[in-house]
Amino acid sequence: EPEVTQTPSHQVTQMGQEVILRCVPISNHLYFYWYRQILGQKVEFLVSFYNNEISEKSEIFDDQFSVERPDGSNFTLKIRSTKLEDSAMYFCASAWLAGELFFGEGSRLTVL
Amino acid sequence: DQQVKQNSPSLSVQEGRISILNCDYTNSMFDYFLWYKKYPAEGPTFLISISSIKDKNEDGRFTVFLNKSAKHLSLHIVPSQPGDSAVYFCAASEGAGNQFYFGTGTSLTVIP
Repeated sequence: EPEVTQTPSHQVTQMGQEVILRCVPISNHLYFYWYRQILGQKVEFLVSFYNNEISEKSEIFDDQFSVERPDGSNFTLKIRSTKLEDSAMYFCASAWLAGELFFGEGSRLTVL
Repeated sequence: DQQVKQNSPSLSVQEGRISILNCDYTNSMFDYFLWYKKYPAEGPTFLISISSIKDKNEDGRFTVFLNKSAKHLSLHIVPSQPGDSAVYFCAASEGAGNQFYFGTGTSLTVIP
């Protein structure tokens, strides 16, 4: 069964460092998303990506965040200068059409 | 401002009985709703969806009911099994391809 894959599963970084989280969405999907979940809190939307551009972003997704789909298969989330409060589980999701999202297993980011 | 609310953080049910998980929303423009199940350290797994043109959708042991006038949806699991023990999230979106707003989740424990 096709699935969304994410790497790394866990990354530890120092505050101020750049981090890139990678995702391989399901191959025929058209919509791509990043969500995050801070420990003990709800799943929060970060950004959606469609037709090679950001279609929607939340207020969390500030200038420190960026997304790319560099080669038609990978979908990356970059955090330029990490802060302590960026520590969370980051989930990539993709969808064929608007609607059912398929989530990856998540990348745990720990900022020290 | 929490647009999707799950007011019960936890629920315990005996194996074989019905589990009813509730979700309320505030935005009357939401037209697509999803239920996800999540195990610790894993990504959310899609369970069942419903669009605003329907008031019920059934898939095996899972049924989702939508009451648009009350802005309320519920997930029924019958019969409940120990493997159903997980955190259940409802999510809602407005329009095609837009972000999903997640509730805070309800932790279901099915007691053997």
